[in-house]
Amino acid sequence: DTGVSQNPRHKITKRGQNVTFRCDPISEHNRLYWYRQTLGQGPEFLTYFQNEAQLEKSRLLSDRFSAERPKGSFSTLEIQRTEQGDSAMYLCASVRASTDTQYFGPGTRLTVL
Amino acid sequence: QKEVEQDPGPLSVPEGAIVSLNCTYSNSAFQYFMWYRQYSRKGPELLMYTYSSGNKEDGRFTAQVDKSSKYISLFIRDSQPSDSATYLCAMEGRRALTFGSGTRLQVQP
Repeated sequence: DTGVSQNPRHKITKRGQNVTFRCDPISEHNRLYWYRQTLGQGPEFLTYFQNEAQLEKSRLLSDRFSAERPKGSFSTLEIQRTEQGDSAMYLCASVRASTDTQYFGPGTRLTVL
Repeated sequence: QKEVEQDPGPLSVPEGAIVSLNCTYSNSAFQYFMWYRQYSRKGPELLMYTYSSGNKEDGRFTAQVDKSSKYISLFIRDSQPSDSATYLCAMEGRRALTFGSGTRLQVQP
């Protein structure tokens, strides 16, 4: 257990529905990352925050995806109008200031029917 | 061509064997190199972190980086059945990590 928690652990939804995931990073870690991992592949970067500021977004993050980190603590990732291609594991990682080591949470597995 | 290439395996070895896992990369901007272990349906767990060419040892694990060849390796000595997992190499150049696709390792008792 790295200390990064994610909820829910598993989400099943129907195509077209909206879903929201939550990540609670390690306390006082100022950087927070979101990745997506599909079966048989490594995680792919989606976006990251330094404190409450969203500093970078991948081209993978279509306009149906939005992420927030209010007050620089927990973060949420919302997917609107889900598609079957959104089925994946969504991973969150947090990093302490002045280091580069990313600690991953257990992930949220999304299944879109 | 992917920025990071990693043989997906699966790699099956007997208990006690030395395991060699490798990745190649094409982006010279990568400065930090990591190996993560991922058990089925779990998040990646950091094993090794290096930022320079050469070897770094931690218990049964040795990470090797050759920046001139753009090649990194992870060696596992005295492999155990509990080492059975997917091993992901990861590299960082501008904050975000770029991962290989992972090598699935099975250590047979």
